[in-house]
Amino acid sequence: AQSVTQLGSHVSVSEGALVLLRCNYSSSVPPYLFWYVQYPNQGLQLLLKYTSAATLVKGINGFEAEFKKSETSFHLTKPSAHMSDAAEYFCAVRGGGYQKVTFGTGTKLQVIP
Amino acid sequence: EAGVAQSPRYKIIEKRQSVAFWCNPISGHATLYWYQQILGQGPKLLIQFQNNGVVDDSQLPKDRFSAERLKGVDSTLKIQPAKLEDSAVYLCASSSPGGTESYEQYFGPGTRLTVT
Repeated sequence: AQSVTQLGSHVSVSEGALVLLRCNYSSSVPPYLFWYVQYPNQGLQLLLKYTSAATLVKGINGFEAEFKKSETSFHLTKPSAHMSDAAEYFCAVRGGGYQKVTFGTGTKLQVIP
Repeated sequence: EAGVAQSPRYKIIEKRQSVAFWCNPISGHATLYWYQQILGQGPKLLIQFQNNGVVDDSQLPKDRFSAERLKGVDSTLKIQPAKLEDSAVYLCASSSPGGTESYEQYFGPGTRLTVT
């Protein structure tokens, strides 16, 4: 069984401030981990993925995430928030093979000018 | 390349009516997924196809939901009869088999269903 916990359903940051969105996972097998972004009335877009290569993963739009096995975490960060980053962010975990992807409940990011 | 296409984008029906959603995945993608996303929640997998075979439908309410993927390409998801709690966005996604790319899902824009 696998699960994802996203701490904080809403996060507000000032424009130019650090963005930190938290994700902890549970998986019985080595996981594959993902962060997706969802803008209003749109589908999900992949930001980045961890597939057992480098533990620090860089994604699109300046986002990155670090896989920490000891903490079972995969937090998403961006050094400087931009207004266009306002969206909902989902962390997801997948086991190997055809195992389904399990999504977290999402964190809505607000960027204050 | 063209993305995942879904139609309709919006649908409003009364409870006990039936509704169908259509999805056309990215060309060449063997795996197709249907998700239900209720407001304020993350997407929940309803059914996963590998080509035209079902890999996982453990969370599909089979008494009212059905899905098919004829010829291993496009897919339809049907609800009959609809209940108020079926109001959600229905997302279709696809991925290709093999390599790390198989773990990357591409999502369509979704169909927003409102049941009144």
